[in-house]
Amino acid sequence: DAGVIQSPRHEVTEMGQEVTLRCKPISGHNSLFWYRQTMMRGLELLIYFNNNVPIDDSGMPEDRFSAKMPNASFSTLKIQPSEPRDSAVYFCASSLTVSSSGNTIYFGEGSWLTVV
Amino acid sequence: AQSVSQHNHHVILSEAASLELGCNYSYGGTVNLFWYVQYPGQHLQLLLKYFSGDPLVKGIKGFEAEFIKSKFSFNLRKPSVQWSDTAEYFCAVTSMDSNYQLIWGAGTKLIIKP
Repeated sequence: DAGVIQSPRHEVTEMGQEVTLRCKPISGHNSLFWYRQTMMRGLELLIYFNNNVPIDDSGMPEDRFSAKMPNASFSTLKIQPSEPRDSAVYFCASSLTVSSSGNTIYFGEGSWLTVV
Repeated sequence: AQSVSQHNHHVILSEAASLELGCNYSYGGTVNLFWYVQYPGQHLQLLLKYFSGDPLVKGIKGFEAEFIKSKFSFNLRKPSVQWSDTAEYFCAVTSMDSNYQLIWGAGTKLIIKP
């Protein structure tokens, strides 16, 4: 079975450029999560969607970050303009649902972003 | 607000040593408990989980964890570690209090010396 699929796996970009990260959740999963992981701050939840609707974006660091989920099988996380401090691994994850017990979240392999 | 504490940030063991990583949470109600593992350069993978039933949960790769409600704990154990267990281990909890969102511990980096 296909897991959560993310692209690109690695990206190196210059400061000021726009970065778009993509995610395809596991088929049938209704909840999608974007996480960021850095050495300094550990694992941070940026935003999550339930049934394509953003539920909580309080973890989004600032207006330069935006996320969309136009349909059940695709989501994007965009950074515009990018800055060196955005360098991190960005993980997408999905689960069957978010609003009940017994959920298990499955992670994609991550997008390793370096902004120089 | 609910919180999850992992007592050790770094653990170094020799191969064949026994392992116990601590995890405590703060919510007093019904919880779901998880351990995830992240091998170097890889993504987080589910190691094991507890939802209900037998408080001793067995996961992949010989890991197990015991839910002790009275101690608010869900410690991870392995009787004999291998070099390939070198990884970072994250404890996480969901509950009604967190709207079933995962509350993560800070992680424990485990290094196994060959």
